[in-house]
Formats: sequence, C-alpha cells, structure tokens
Amino acid sequence: DVVMTQSPLSLPVTLGQPASISCRSSQSLVYSDGITYLNWFQQRPGQSPRRLIYKVSNRDSGVPDRFSGSGSGTEFTLKISRVEAEDVGVYYCMQGRHWPQTFGQGTKVEIK
Amino acid sequence: QVQLVQSGGEVKNPGASVKVSCKASGYTFSTYGITWVRQAPGQGLEWMGWISAYNGNTNYAQKVQGRVTMTTDTSTSTAYMELRSLRSDDTAVYYCARAVSRVVPAADLDYWGQGTLVTVSS
Repeated sequence: DVVMTQSPLSLPVTLGQPASISCRSSQSLVYSDGITYLNWFQQRPGQSPRRLIYKVSNRDSGVPDRFSGSGSGTEFTLKISRVEAEDVGVYYCMQGRHWPQTFGQGTKVEIK
Repeated sequence: QVQLVQSGGEVKNPGASVKVSCKASGYTFSTYGITWVRQAPGQGLEWMGWISAYNGNTNYAQKVQGRVTMTTDTSTSTAYMELRSLRSDDTAVYYCARAVSRVVPAADLDYWGQGTLVTVSS
C-alpha cells in the first residue's frame, strides 16, 4: 500500500498567520492521464471529514480561497494564508491514485 | 443536494456482528460507489473498503478482509457495511462517503455521512 506521511503532526498557529502542512507519498501519484490524485480533507472537532482540495490544487465549492494546495509527484503542501478560528481541526492528505486509497496520519491545527 | 444519512450508534459484544446503513439522496446512486472509512477514538482515518453501486464490485482493506461485507440496494439508494467477529479494536466511528463507480484513480469522497459510532464492549 502507498504510505502517506504528513508533517508536522501538530501545528500551533497564531490567528491571522500562515500555516503549511506537508504530505509525502511513498509512490508517485501521477496517473497516465497526467492527473495527480491527491486530496486534502479537513475534520473540525466533532464533525465528519470534508474534502477541501482535490487533484492537488482544486478547491471544492465553498472552500475559502485562503486554502491552497500545491505539489507534484510525491511531495505536496496545503497552505492556509491567514489562519482563522474556524480552521481549527485535523487535516488529512489522501491519495486516490493507487488502490487501496490511503490517508496520511493527520495534522492537528490549533490556535496558540 | 447530495446527502448521505447513516444509521444510529450501536453497542455490541465481542464476537457479534454489526450492520451500518448509509442512505443516499440528491444524486443518481447507481452511477457512483460508496467508500467506508473508520476512525477509532482519537485516531486518524482508515480506509476500510469500497463498493460500486453500479455493478456491486467490492474492494476491501486487507485488515478487515474476511470479516467485512459491503452491499448496496439500488431500489432504496442505500449502502450497507457489515462487520463480523467484532473485537474491541473495532470500536470506532464508521463513515460512508460517495466514491467512484469503478476501481480507477479517483478524486472522490466529495460527500460524507454523519458517522455511526460502533462500540464493542462486554
């Protein structure tokens, strides 16, 4: 199975400051169609996961533009340009290139 | 709007079975699949398996292979996940999510159910 490794696992951030989460896959997530199948999910406390970003950098409907995704091959990043209180939660990367699909361990974002 | 509504929480004894349902609405059920993901208390997300509502094909995680059966009822747009021989480490919140209909590279899991807590305890 493809191993997804996130860092850091805990990220204390000051309100209004940027945050960055890294995700590395043990195999390339690029398919022969040229698409890279890497998603990001947000899980707020007590809620179901919510997809934020798909195919590396595409924001889902309703996701604020302070969230952005980037990367290629096996290295990916989720950035929050200015953290707000509602961004507190755990963020997971997930690869959809290989079956079974696999998640990273999660990065807990909290306010300092 | 797309919705996935799951059945209520369950408490089971070790060795028993549990069957969780996931009723879909707001889209054509038979043109998608359903992925099941679980989350043990305080832990991360674990992919359990997938079923195509189009043709009933399944793909299960090795960890639960042999103990899990995923099915769908297209007449009611409902997916089911049955887990047998329950152990204490099966205690988790179980989520269903909308998925692709075939085993292909996918950017799916765009809609999730509210989760079902299954507690395994004697």
